[in-house]
Amino acid sequence: SAVISQKPSRDICQRGTSLTIQCQVDSQVTMMFWYRQQPGQSLTLIATANQGSEATYESGFVIDKFPISRPNLTFSTLTVSNMSPEDSSIYLCSVHPTGNTEAFFGQGTRLTVV
Amino acid sequence: EDQVTQSPEALRLQEGESSSLNCSYTVSGLRGLFWYRQDPGKGPEFLFTLYSAGEEKEKERLKATLTKKESFLHITAPKPEDSATYLCAVNSGGDYKLSFGAGTTVTVRA
Repeated sequence: SAVISQKPSRDICQRGTSLTIQCQVDSQVTMMFWYRQQPGQSLTLIATANQGSEATYESGFVIDKFPISRPNLTFSTLTVSNMSPEDSSIYLCSVHPTGNTEAFFGQGTRLTVV
Repeated sequence: EDQVTQSPEALRLQEGESSSLNCSYTVSGLRGLFWYRQDPGKGPEFLFTLYSAGEEKEKERLKATLTKKESFLHITAPKPEDSATYLCAVNSGGDYKLSFGAGTTVTVRA
């Protein structure tokens, strides 16, 4: 398994601003992902955070809106840029430890945009 | 595109009243089907991975089964602490990306 720490756990932000979410893992992992969980809905994959290269985004998500950094094998950040109320969601970091097929998730960041 | 449908959306049970949750899936080639539990305000907690039809896994009061089209999560004699949202997800590529269903919210009353 893996222990994943996300910061902040929650935040309330003004529209038009940006928020950077941090994800720290207690071991080196190759595969790291960012998901969004909108109110009352299930998880949707935003992007795969690749160490040493640009993130790979899913359909409907773009780098200008959700820039991602992955400076090493234990850390990643997701920025939600130029926020609007529609960005109010829980954002989750997920990892696949080497040798595991299952994913482990952080506690999530609950974002409210006002 | 992978599709995952869970039913029912919500399930209210009396303590000790066994029941089953359904997860129907459509994938091009199943690499794994996953069950997670999610408590309010927390991230999903891994429960089971199933790989092939006929496979079963158990953990305490939970048992997961898999066919070629669906998976069931059986809750036997549930307790109030089993109250949570149960999520089903599938992976069909070698990239570990998961497609999730909308979840079933289970409430167990004492």
